[in-house]
Amino acid sequence: EDQVTQSPEALRLQEGESSSLNCSYTVSGLRGLFWYRQDPGKGPEFLFTLYSAGEEKEKERLKATLTKKESFLHITAPKPEDSATYLCAVQGNFNKFYFGSGTKLNVKP
Amino acid sequence: EPEVTQTPSHQVTQMGQEVILRCVPISNHLYFYWYRQILGQKVEFLVSFYNNEISEKSEIFDDQFSVERPDGSNFTLKIRSTKLEDSAMYFCASIPLAGGGGELFFGEGSRLTVL
Repeated sequence: EDQVTQSPEALRLQEGESSSLNCSYTVSGLRGLFWYRQDPGKGPEFLFTLYSAGEEKEKERLKATLTKKESFLHITAPKPEDSATYLCAVQGNFNKFYFGSGTKLNVKP
Repeated sequence: EPEVTQTPSHQVTQMGQEVILRCVPISNHLYFYWYRQILGQKVEFLVSFYNNEISEKSEIFDDQFSVERPDGSNFTLKIRSTKLEDSAMYFCASIPLAGGGGELFFGEGSRLTVL
């Protein structure tokens, strides 16, 4: 069964304290893995697409990496404005997207 | 930057009433989706739509739900007789290429509150 699991469910960091979020997946015919940021009451905002194992993408304090079974979203020296829920999604066959439950990140000043 | 727009942003309705949520996808996108997110829960797939017909639907998308693309721009989700458990954020999303992959572009969502 195709599925996406994110961990941890919630993460509290002090400003400047780096950490990583995990997304593990099982999907037949992976066509892409996506990271989104979601603020309360808002739609998911696209961050990264990863297509193949070994690929890395960076944007400001965020870096996403991909292996054959999981992806990590590394947050370096986070700031309070990085507080949000981070969603992982994978695209399988027939344009089906599977979402994880998200990691709620809270960065305290 | 092109964006997916959704209306209304918030709708309050009585149980049993019909609701129509509207979406204007990005103009050159071909594949459209509706997702819902109950407060504090994960984003759940409802239905995908391509070439003016439903491509796939989830178990949630029962006979109370329907989708239409009444003209070249709008994409609607109708809930015929709302239930309390339909209270959620409903997101419209689209991708540019059918079969070509690519990230989902989401609208800001429509919050539905069923009383």
